[in-house]
Amino acid sequence: ETGVTQTPRHLVMGMTNKKSLKCEQHLGHNAMYWYKQSAKKPLELMFVYNFKEQTENNSVPSRFSPECPNSSHLFLHLHTLQPEDSALYLCASSQDFSGGADTQYFGPGTRLTVL
Amino acid sequence: GQNIDQPTEMTATEGAIVQINCTYQTSGFNGLFWYQQHAGEAPTFLSYNVLDGLEEKGRFSSFLSRSKGYSYLLLKELQMKDSASYLCAVRDSNYQLIWGAGTKLIIKP
Repeated sequence: ETGVTQTPRHLVMGMTNKKSLKCEQHLGHNAMYWYKQSAKKPLELMFVYNFKEQTENNSVPSRFSPECPNSSHLFLHLHTLQPEDSALYLCASSQDFSGGADTQYFGPGTRLTVL
Repeated sequence: GQNIDQPTEMTATEGAIVQINCTYQTSGFNGLFWYQQHAGEAPTFLSYNVLDGLEEKGRFSSFLSRSKGYSYLLLKELQMKDSASYLCAVRDSNYQLIWGAGTKLIIKP
């Protein structure tokens, strides 16, 4: 148990569906992250929120829409996805988005399958 | 471009020692991390190196040479539960983590 929870753990959706992924951290951190993990590929950073402000958007398609209502919760809204978006989506948190030994703590991920 | 290289897969025997290498080319350097990820689970933090040398933590040690752009993770007295993927990540000059694709370690009895 890392202190970061994600729901749902598994999600199957059609290309026309709208769904949302939820992440919650119980560590008192100020930065939260969304990553995409595909088989045998490096983790891809999608979005970063620091003190509820979005600081990074790594050229992610608009069919992925993040929301961070407070420092403890992070959502990823999904709309009109493509089969190549099937992957493990990981949420992480850290004390804040800075240098030093600021360690990221990960949730267990949502395994997304797009049909 | 930025790049992290690590072997795709390694196999070792229970009770033995294994070294997982990681080489990197990044724009700037603000530390190197190793994470362990069991299948279907969250990556969990193992170690952090920012200065050259060896950091030891129980059965696991991590080494860094900044001049060579090189790190390794050393696992001693291997146990079956050490079967997992090991991820190397470097924090660049923008404080973003650049990740390797991970090394899948298979432990055999």
